[in-house]
Amino acid sequence: QPVLTQSPSASASLGASVKLTCTLSSGHSTFAIAWHQQQPERGPRFLMKLNSDGSHVKGDGIPDRFSGSSSGAERILTISSLQSEDEAAYYCQTWGTGIWVFGGGTKLTVL
Amino acid sequence: EVQLLESGGGLVQPGGSLRLSCAASGFTFSVYAMSWVRQAPGKALEWVSAFTANPVNQYYTDSVKGRFTISRDNSKSTLYLQMDSLRADDTAIYYCVRDPWGAHFDHWGQGTPVTVSS
Repeated sequence: QPVLTQSPSASASLGASVKLTCTLSSGHSTFAIAWHQQQPERGPRFLMKLNSDGSHVKGDGIPDRFSGSSSGAERILTISSLQSEDEAAYYCQTWGTGIWVFGGGTKLTVL
Repeated sequence: EVQLLESGGGLVQPGGSLRLSCAASGFTFSVYAMSWVRQAPGKALEWVSAFTANPVNQYYTDSVKGRFTISRDNSKSTLYLQMDSLRADDTAIYYCVRDPWGAHFDHWGQGTPVTVSS
């Protein structure tokens, strides 16, 4: 079954760009993942589904500042022109046979 | 507009039961896989259970197998989670999610809190 690994925390300055990485376990490098954002004290929302070739499908109303890319087993979420409301936890998520899996999440701080 | 509205959460004693409901609207409920996801206080998201549409099947994370039962009523566009033999570590906010690809979630409800405590 796939395991998703994320760094626990990240930080970047207001107006800058940041890359958040989700790494798929060995043998699962071709899997697609989904990125979800959870702002403080709110429920999660879907950002995008990201395929192994870097193509992605975004959720409703997700700004162009959010983009995705892939490199081997890494699935990368890039947020450009950081805004204060981007301070949130970001989770990646995928599927194995009969099991749905989340990464541990990355807490992004906007400085 | 896709909407998922959970209800049924609350405070229950250890060993007790609760039934969560998720009323769906804005899409053809019957053709979508649906899941329940929970989040314990200060913890990460955790998938709990899924009900796939094609083929029809139910799946559970190991910690709830034999205690939780997922079901759906397509005529009412409603997903359910029957939770029995509840334990303190089931305390969490429970979210209903839609799964158009049978693998990845694309819409979330607002969540319903469940607290298991004496």
